[in-house]
Amino acid sequence: KQEVTQIPAALSVPEGENLVLNCSFTDSAIYNLQWFRQDPGKGLTSLLLIQSSQREQTSGRLNASLDKSSGRSTLYIAASQPGDSATYLCAVKDTNAGKSTFGDGTTLTVKP
Amino acid sequence: NAGVTQTPKFQVLKTGQSMTLQCAQDMNHNSMYWYRQDPGMGLRLIYYSASEGTTDKGEVPNGYNVSRLNKREFSLRLESAAPSQTSVYFCASSELGGTGVGQPQHFGDGTRLSIL
Repeated sequence: KQEVTQIPAALSVPEGENLVLNCSFTDSAIYNLQWFRQDPGKGLTSLLLIQSSQREQTSGRLNASLDKSSGRSTLYIAASQPGDSATYLCAVKDTNAGKSTFGDGTTLTVKP
Repeated sequence: NAGVTQTPKFQVLKTGQSMTLQCAQDMNHNSMYWYRQDPGMGLRLIYYSASEGTTDKGEVPNGYNVSRLNKREFSLRLESAAPSQTSVYFCASSELGGTGVGQPQHFGDGTRLSIL
């Protein structure tokens, strides 16, 4: 059974800092990995999708990398801003079962 | 541009009561999903509908039923609510269709449900 872990559960940084969020998964036979953002009281917003054949994806100040062999993905946020404060979740889609397994998220606070 | 709309946003029920959570999407997506989100357990798939007219169980279907009323609407019903069903429920949709489980792309803002 696929398990997805995100450590730390919470992170607080000053504005302007570059930061890395981590996501690890136990079964490397994945189809793709997706990073989401969730604001308080809201649903999830898809940020980046990395296919299993890709090593990274970039969107603006966000860069996500994928290392299937080690079962890890990182989300890099450059020049963090208070508006980046949210919970960030990763989800892996299994090749075989085809379903997505979500991590519990890392809650990021960027202080002005 | 509404996206995925869920109603109600909040609900308190007593044990044994029934209710239906409503979800509608205006993006002409084929696939729709119901998840529950609980602390320490991530999002877990309850039911999904790969395309209009089909529904399938997800990871935690017990105590729930669903109806894909048409391409736009996918409802979740609790027949006899239990305290263990206290959670935040999210509906999602995706343009991926066909068989199997697709990949949720667009989420509603959730229904916060408390069972006393």
